[in-house]
Amino acid sequence: ETGVTQTPRHLVMGMTNKKSLKCEQHLGHNAMYWYKQSAKKPLELMFVYNFKEQTENNSVPSRFSPECPNSSHLFLHLHTLQPEDSALYLCASSQTGTSGDEETQYFGPGTRLLVL
Amino acid sequence: KQEVTQIPAALSVPEGENLVLNCSFTDSAIYNLQWFRQDPGKGLTSLLLIQSSQREQTSGRLNASLDKSSGRSTLYIAASQPGDSATYLCAVYDYKLSFGAGTTVTVRA
Repeated sequence: ETGVTQTPRHLVMGMTNKKSLKCEQHLGHNAMYWYKQSAKKPLELMFVYNFKEQTENNSVPSRFSPECPNSSHLFLHLHTLQPEDSALYLCASSQTGTSGDEETQYFGPGTRLLVL
Repeated sequence: KQEVTQIPAALSVPEGENLVLNCSFTDSAIYNLQWFRQDPGKGLTSLLLIQSSQREQTSGRLNASLDKSSGRSTLYIAASQPGDSATYLCAVYDYKLSFGAGTTVTVRA
């Protein structure tokens, strides 16, 4: 596997279900991200992890719970979601420098989530 | 709060025509600006990254310019092809990436 992979690619869940999205990066990067992309809207940054530590939570509801067990893996745990949470969830990784700058982010193919 | 705007929202051109996509941002204190391509239902692919100290970047038929002082960037795609049909996203990086809503391009054969 190369680059950034995400599983599953498609997910349908009811509002009472619990599910998890998985992201894995094979690039040796030190930062990982979750984004939400809703129809006709800009990508919204949800969470940022640097060296496994969460450094950004962009006012995301608690029904989304991220987990970063190591610098290569990132999970997004989902529970009691709402229909408006249906979207494409994208994972990305990058190498960040000590001064805060970074090179480009590499994106996975996304998980298309439908909440019924 | 950084806001990124892309105009037009959609563009349809005949094959061979040059494409001009515009991006504007409100806060000029950025580290870099990137252009991404997204195919329907897929992730993003980075096309060009311009550091804040640079004025332009080129890759093949693609050329992107950056005018940080006026908060603008333009992506030029020369001699468009049907395979260029996709959504093009502009993103600026200060301490995080902020994206525009994208320009959806259709190149007609």
